[in-house]
Amino acid sequence: GENVEQHPSTLSVQEGDSAVIKCTYSDSASNYFPWYKQELGKRPQLIIDIRSNVGEKKDQRIAVTLNKTAKHFSLHITETQPEDSAVYFCAASIARAGGTSYGKLTFGQGTILTVHP
Amino acid sequence: GAVVSQHPSWVICKSGTSVKIECRSLDFQATTMFWYRQFPKQSLMLMATSNEGSKATYEQGVEKDKFLINHASLTLSTLTVTSAHPEDSSFYICSARPARAGGYTFGSGTRLTVV
Repeated sequence: GENVEQHPSTLSVQEGDSAVIKCTYSDSASNYFPWYKQELGKRPQLIIDIRSNVGEKKDQRIAVTLNKTAKHFSLHITETQPEDSAVYFCAASIARAGGTSYGKLTFGQGTILTVHP
Repeated sequence: GAVVSQHPSWVICKSGTSVKIECRSLDFQATTMFWYRQFPKQSLMLMATSNEGSKATYEQGVEKDKFLINHASLTLSTLTVTSAHPEDSSFYICSARPARAGGYTFGSGTRLTVV
């Protein structure tokens, strides 16, 4: 089955700096890669996702890059703010053609991001 | 947007008793529901995939007789933790993917504490 490795496990940055979290996956059939932010005791919140037909996607301060050949994808957060502090998870799944059916999500181990004011 | 309602949000039960957790899709039909377990400071681990009208598919190492899953309708899936023990204490969360949405929708999670 799919295996997703995520690094680093903890990341501490100063407010305004950039943060990068990296993930690798094992199943070349995976084609949907979401990133989630989870606060303590809460549900994961989707912050950005990318499909395998795209190499990069950006949404304001957040961007994701995907290298299908190397089977890795990364989350980039620029101009970090204290409210960005949380646990971030990458995940991978297989979506059928047409995007009408998605398989199970396999999560990375998570990264605790701390943004110091 | 698509919403999955999960109840209860927290529950404390005695060792040996059973606990039922419900997940309802409020504005879409969830033919498939994914059940995850998350221990403190760990990732979400898939326990099983429930499919409406058929038996659930359990991940390796998950006891199907202990974690009973029922998906009797297109809007309701339940997870029953039977004969709960302290080691079952965890955060349980369900997820579904609405056909019209771009990603997965998660329930709010259930914090189970077995004493």
